[in-house]
Amino acid sequence: DAGITQSPRYKITETGRQVTLMCHQTWSHSYMFWYRQDLGHGLRLIYYSAAADITDKGEVPDGYVVSRSKTENFPLTLESATRSQTSVYFCASSEFQDSSTDTQYFGPGTRLTVL
Amino acid sequence: GQQVMQIPQYQHVQEGEDFTTYCNSSTTLSNIQWYKQRPGGHPVFLIQLVKSGEVKKQKRLTFQFGEAKKNSSLHITATQTTDVGTYFCAIRGGNKLTFGTGTQLKVEL
Repeated sequence: DAGITQSPRYKITETGRQVTLMCHQTWSHSYMFWYRQDLGHGLRLIYYSAAADITDKGEVPDGYVVSRSKTENFPLTLESATRSQTSVYFCASSEFQDSSTDTQYFGPGTRLTVL
Repeated sequence: GQQVMQIPQYQHVQEGEDFTTYCNSSTTLSNIQWYKQRPGGHPVFLIQLVKSGEVKKQKRLTFQFGEAKKNSSLHITATQTTDVGTYFCAIRGGNKLTFGTGTQLKVEL
């Protein structure tokens, strides 16, 4: 049971480059989420998706693009990476239909460094 | 959107001492969840509270939801080194969760 996986686990890139972080889940959960985690800010929601082809902005969406052509995949793209996007990125999934299915399951994270 | 305040931000304890973290909201909550993140790891779901005044226990961890459903606490009795990590509360707002900023717990021998 793979659960939820992220790739790559570590990435170093340069300012201005495009970077795509991958997220894959095997549970067929409807909802998927992207968070970034920085010291002092906890987990901040970047984008989320309620189903294939349905995405919505979270708290900090600027500079990021998402797509969801298949239920199991939810890639996050940094169109032109900036140093302020250096962070740890977590993908999560959930059924999220009602209060009994709110639990979010997180991937192992991708540590991104933008030089 | 909904916000939740979590305190303290950091807590250092000696092994065997108790620990408590609190989450407070200005609005009534439908439910509240708690997650734990070990150093270098990812957040892992611990528990969800739904009912007013609800108290749930998991071994040495006690979770409480306030009577007015505006606050919650996580209490650890007799901390151990395995309790080290950051504890987050999370509240539901629409189709997403909002996480508190977390309480980082360090346990010294």
